[in-house]
Amino acid sequence: TQLLEQSPQFLSIQEGENLTVYCNSSSVFSSLQWYRQEPGEGPVLLVTVVTGGEVKKLKRLTFQFGDARKDSSLHITAAQTGDTGLYLCAGVQQGGKLIFGQGTELSVKP
Amino acid sequence: GAVVSQHPSWVICKSGTSVKIECRSLDFQATTMFWYRQFPKQSLMLMATSNEGSKATYEQGVEKDKFLINHASLTLSTLTVTSAHPEDSSFYICSVGTFSYEQYFGPGTRLTVT
Repeated sequence: TQLLEQSPQFLSIQEGENLTVYCNSSSVFSSLQWYRQEPGEGPVLLVTVVTGGEVKKLKRLTFQFGDARKDSSLHITAAQTGDTGLYLCAGVQQGGKLIFGQGTELSVKP
Repeated sequence: GAVVSQHPSWVICKSGTSVKIECRSLDFQATTMFWYRQFPKQSLMLMATSNEGSKATYEQGVEKDKFLINHASLTLSTLTVTSAHPEDSSFYICSVGTFSYEQYFGPGTRLTVT
């Protein structure tokens, strides 16, 4: 069974600080996705990384896929209160099924 | 991406009754949809994969006779929770799978069983 370990599970920071969320597995994934979810809503896809070593940027968010395609990270620069939410990494399995990490609850305080 | 709706957004039912949740793909012909449940402060757990015109594939530990899934068209999948009990109370979310393996999620349905 493929598992994704996401850390930290909770993160509370001040506005303007930087942060990194990690997603690790002992298994290789063909691709990995990052989602953001707000309370009472469904997750929204942020990015898909496919190639080992790939780096993608989305404004202040930087996503990296490990060279061996077993791990990924999300780095947020100068966090804003609007970044508050649950961040989920998900590995893509055969048939398009997703296996989700435990999630990182991010709280950015003004 | 695909736009996905769910109905109802929240429902309260009595223990022992059944409740049906609809998942609609509004702008994409979805041959594959997924159903998840999510407990407070936890991640999403895949319950089943819904394939248009065929039987759903359930994940290990999910009772297929309790969670009935029907995917009769390319735009609609339904999840029926039969004989609901308080422990079935959860946030149920569906998603549409695309050919690039990206998934687009509905807004979720909050089920409370009293």
